[in-house]
Amino acid sequence: SAVISQKPSRDICQRGTSLTIQCQVDSQVTMMFWYRQQPGQSLTLIATANQGSEATYESGFVIDKFPISRPNLTFSTLTVSNMSPEDSSIYLCSAEQGDTQYFGPGTRLTVL
Amino acid sequence: AQSVTQPDIHITVSEGASLELRCNYSYGATPYLFWYVQSPGQGLQLLLKYFSGDTLVQGIKGFEAEFKRSQSSFNLRKPSVHWSDAAEYFCAVGPSNDYKLSFGAGTTVTVRA
Repeated sequence: SAVISQKPSRDICQRGTSLTIQCQVDSQVTMMFWYRQQPGQSLTLIATANQGSEATYESGFVIDKFPISRPNLTFSTLTVSNMSPEDSSIYLCSAEQGDTQYFGPGTRLTVL
Repeated sequence: AQSVTQPDIHITVSEGASLELRCNYSYGATPYLFWYVQSPGQGLQLLLKYFSGDTLVQGIKGFEAEFKRSQSSFNLRKPSVHWSDAAEYFCAVGPSNDYKLSFGAGTTVTVRA
């Protein structure tokens, strides 16, 4: 199974600033995904990170707020832009391998 | 559209007792079904999955789940829980063609001594 790491593991940020979260997979994968988990909630898919093309966003999420990069088959970044306290969440990346999604440890973001 | 319902928000069990977590799904075709566990402050770990074949699937940590098409269910079971099983459990469903997952709301399991 794919092993996924994320950086940073947690951060506290001021409103109006931006944070970029990195996701690294230990093997090449075609599909990577970014999720948000708001406090006490389940996971909501933000977007599918496509290698070599623009990310595909789910309803309610836009590129200006959550720009995503996918420069190669093992790496992706998610930026949370112009943050507000409502963006305080855990952000998780996942990678698909063998019809199964494997998840990173998550990035816990607190916006003050 | 696919959806997942986990009817139990919170379950408390005694250590050594059996555990069953319910999951019902809505999907037009045969889905891919998953159970994940999230320990406090951690990411999601895959417990088991069902794609096809034998409807009783075995997973890690002594967990098993049974796919029942007639009931649109994929309930998770463990015969004897350990204190380390205290965590949040998520059921997820996905189609085979784009790998997107829909997650249930989760069930929090508390284990009492």
